[in-house]
Amino acid sequence: AQSVTQLGSHVSVSEGALVLLRCNYSSSVPPYLFWYVQYPNQGLQLLLKYTSAATLVKGINDFEAEFKKSETSFHLTKPSAHMSDAAEYFCAVTISNDYKLSFGAGTTVTVRA
Amino acid sequence: DTGVSQDPRHKITKRGQNVTFRCDPISEHNRLYWYRQTLGQGPEFLTYFQNEAQLEKSRLLSDRFSAERPKGSFSTLEIQRTEQGDSAMYLCASSFPRGAGANVLTFGAGSRLTVL
Repeated sequence: AQSVTQLGSHVSVSEGALVLLRCNYSSSVPPYLFWYVQYPNQGLQLLLKYTSAATLVKGINDFEAEFKKSETSFHLTKPSAHMSDAAEYFCAVTISNDYKLSFGAGTTVTVRA
Repeated sequence: DTGVSQDPRHKITKRGQNVTFRCDPISEHNRLYWYRQTLGQGPEFLTYFQNEAQLEKSRLLSDRFSAERPKGSFSTLEIQRTEQGDSAMYLCASSFPRGAGANVLTFGAGSRLTVL
């Protein structure tokens, strides 16, 4: 079965600094990969998705992620953190046509002024 | 497009009571998913529907849980004889297999259940 592991349950960055959130996947077949963001008391919002086209995927709010098959990774980055980026971020994977997602445990991002 | 709506947003109940959550998906979405999210964890898949057919149920969905989507539109998730371990956020999502946002799950804000 496919799964993802998010390295680091908490990340703290200074405003304006690089945001790097790590996600490694396990899958026996080419996966589809997603990053979602969850703000307090809200549902999950899609940041970006990888579906076997370009390996560098650009998403909303200047986030991007790079699919690296050799490293089985799909890390999320943002060049310059903003206070509004404080939230919980989830990496997810699916391999099936039903798009049933398997999520990681999440990484909470705090942004320091 | 008003997004995915879930009701109620919060429910506090006593152990042993039954609770029901409702999800209204985006109108043209034919797939509907239920997930459960506990504190500090990612969402876990419970079940999903394509139109009115329930196509898969997770082992997490014990016999106290039942989900329906009678007309292929809204869905309900009922928990009978609630236990404290059922306390969680119950998330609903929907998707459509075609178009620009094909197969991207759009989530509702969730229904938070607290069992005392």
